[in-house]
Amino acid sequence: SQQGEEDPQALSIQEGENATMNCSYKTSINNLQWYRQNSGRGLVHLILIRSNEREKHSGRLRVTLDTSKKSSSLLITASRAADTASYFCATAAYSGAGSYQLTFGKGTKLSVIP
Amino acid sequence: DGGITQSPKYLFRKEGQNVTLSCEQNLNHDAMYWYRQDPGQGLRLIYYSQIVNDFQKGDIAEGYSVSREKKESFPLTVTSAQKNPTAFYLCASSSQGGTRTNNYGYTFGSGTRLTVV
Repeated sequence: SQQGEEDPQALSIQEGENATMNCSYKTSINNLQWYRQNSGRGLVHLILIRSNEREKHSGRLRVTLDTSKKSSSLLITASRAADTASYFCATAAYSGAGSYQLTFGKGTKLSVIP
Repeated sequence: DGGITQSPKYLFRKEGQNVTLSCEQNLNHDAMYWYRQDPGQGLRLIYYSQIVNDFQKGDIAEGYSVSREKKESFPLTVTSAQKNPTAFYLCASSSQGGTRTNNYGYTFGSGTRLTVV
């Protein structure tokens, strides 16, 4: 089952602008993660934010988490053409029998125009 | 360099044929996963394994089988019972800090694109 829903589905911006992507989810989570996928490649882990954290930074990335609204946002500042990719949010939730499962959304396709 | 290797990169399957996708990791990760990705879609979990000789079904396990005889290897077999196997298959692994925590990201392989001919 897919829990995370990214918004928008596609985003096109000029190089140097900021890009913001949002993710909403339905059930309680342990943590939320963001991944990047270049066309035809595997996913690359970008950042993880725990359920008791509200904001996290990594380089040009800023992630926020609002557990009361069950939503997260990923901000990429000063975008570059090389940031062109699909971005996925994934929620980690306890699935029973001592295990957690990571559930992915459908992704936001970001195009950065030089 | 540590990482996950998936092979082959491209695979073609004839109707009624079983095919096996390889996934090997040298990260010493306990947990391994298989996902399926269809065009414009997110990832759907096929099978996962937390320890050697144990694995669990994911959301779309029908028509697939796996084994976990070694920590490093988690091959996926797409059987003839899978009626729509054309997709991009991704293998991932993660370190688990115990059964009650999972604050680790996943490491993904580069994927195998399977096409029915």
